[in-house]
Amino acid sequence: AQSVAQPEDQVNVAEGNPLTVKCTYSVSGNPYLFWYVQYPNRGLQFLLKYITGDNLVKGSYGFEAEFNKSQTSFHLKKPSALVSDSALYFCAVEKDSNYQLIWGAGTKLIIKP
Amino acid sequence: DSGVTQTPKHLITATGQRVTLRCSPRSGDLSVYWYQQSLDQGLQFLIHYYNGEERAKGNILERFSAQQFPDLHSELNLSSLELGDSALYFCASSPRDGGTGIQYFGAGTRLSVL
Repeated sequence: AQSVAQPEDQVNVAEGNPLTVKCTYSVSGNPYLFWYVQYPNRGLQFLLKYITGDNLVKGSYGFEAEFNKSQTSFHLKKPSALVSDSALYFCAVEKDSNYQLIWGAGTKLIIKP
Repeated sequence: DSGVTQTPKHLITATGQRVTLRCSPRSGDLSVYWYQQSLDQGLQFLIHYYNGEERAKGNILERFSAQQFPDLHSELNLSSLELGDSALYFCASSPRDGGTGIQYFGAGTRLSVL
């Protein structure tokens, strides 16, 4: 069965430090992987996606994600965190090429000044 | 602004009641998805409609139903409401052709069942 795991409920990072939010997946075939962000009292917003090609994907707001097929991971990264990056981050994998997404449980990212 | 409109923003009702949540997708998007987000269960996929037809069901209760109308707006009907139905309900839309899983979310409807 296809699944997505976000092993950390919460990640705390000091402003200016690099951040990583972890995601691992289990899919049959080639995965389509996504990161979304949810700011307080808002809907989810698309950040970036991996379909094929370069393993390092760049997205919105300076975020990037690295696809690692051998480790079945798709970790979200940013070189220098901002307080405004504090939000809930969701990893997702596309299911059956039918535009349905399987969602991780979400990771709360807290950036401290 | 995602272009997806959800109404109402907030809804307060009592147990046993029935409510209807409305979603207008982005212009041109044929797919509509409904999600429930609660503190204890995270983001749960409820149902997916494409161009008026039901495409997939997730963890949707029998007390809940949805439909997508010819103008592509969608409604989620929740009946015999229970305290545990209190949650944020999101609608998302996506284009069918050329889409690769990107969904555009509305701001949500916060339902409080008292």
